[in-house]
Amino acid sequence: AQTVTQSQPEMSVQEAETVTLSCTYDTSESDYYLFWYKQPPSRQMILVIRQEAYKQQNATENRFSVNFQKAAKSFSLKISDSQLGDAAMYFCAYRTNFGNEKLTFGTGTRLTIIP
Amino acid sequence: SQTIHQWPATLVQPVGSPLSLECTVEGTSNPNLYWYRQAAGRGLQLLFYSVGIGQISSEVPQNLSASRPQDRQFILSSKKLLLSDSGFYLCACTGSAYDTQYFGPGTRLTVL
Repeated sequence: AQTVTQSQPEMSVQEAETVTLSCTYDTSESDYYLFWYKQPPSRQMILVIRQEAYKQQNATENRFSVNFQKAAKSFSLKISDSQLGDAAMYFCAYRTNFGNEKLTFGTGTRLTIIP
Repeated sequence: SQTIHQWPATLVQPVGSPLSLECTVEGTSNPNLYWYRQAAGRGLQLLFYSVGIGQISSEVPQNLSASRPQDRQFILSSKKLLLSDSGFYLCACTGSAYDTQYFGPGTRLTVL
């Protein structure tokens, strides 16, 4: 079974600075998707960015980018120019391409933005 | 793009009472639908998923059940709630490409 590990329970960053959140995963599959979701205090899960495993190019969405290292099974999220609205729990998730295509989540990283 | 509605937003129920949570989806057809539960301070756990009307698969044995009476309606039920059923319940659906899941606003359930 796949597992997702987020080793940083909490992170903090100064406003306007850059922060990187770590995620590693374990799988024997070669074709899958990886996601970062943001959960603000409202608790709705909001998609931040996704990466297809067969694509070597790292995904980017405005201030959010990933560093996808397939061989190392690492998928970190970089947030540039951090804003107060970025404060949230961030979850890394893995999606298999087989069976029910369910998402397997990490335990999350709580990000605090320091004004 | 898809929009997911969940209700109620908040629910407080006594132990042993029944439960019905509803999820409806707009803006997409034939989505895969999912029910997740999030315990306090934890990640999400998949409870049920559905690839079509009347097709339900369970991931975790428990006293909950799910039904999909219409293409874009997904219901989570219980005949008798347990204290351990407390949590935050999220409904998710796939988009047109089926490779990404989008989440609804969630229901906070407290069982007393």
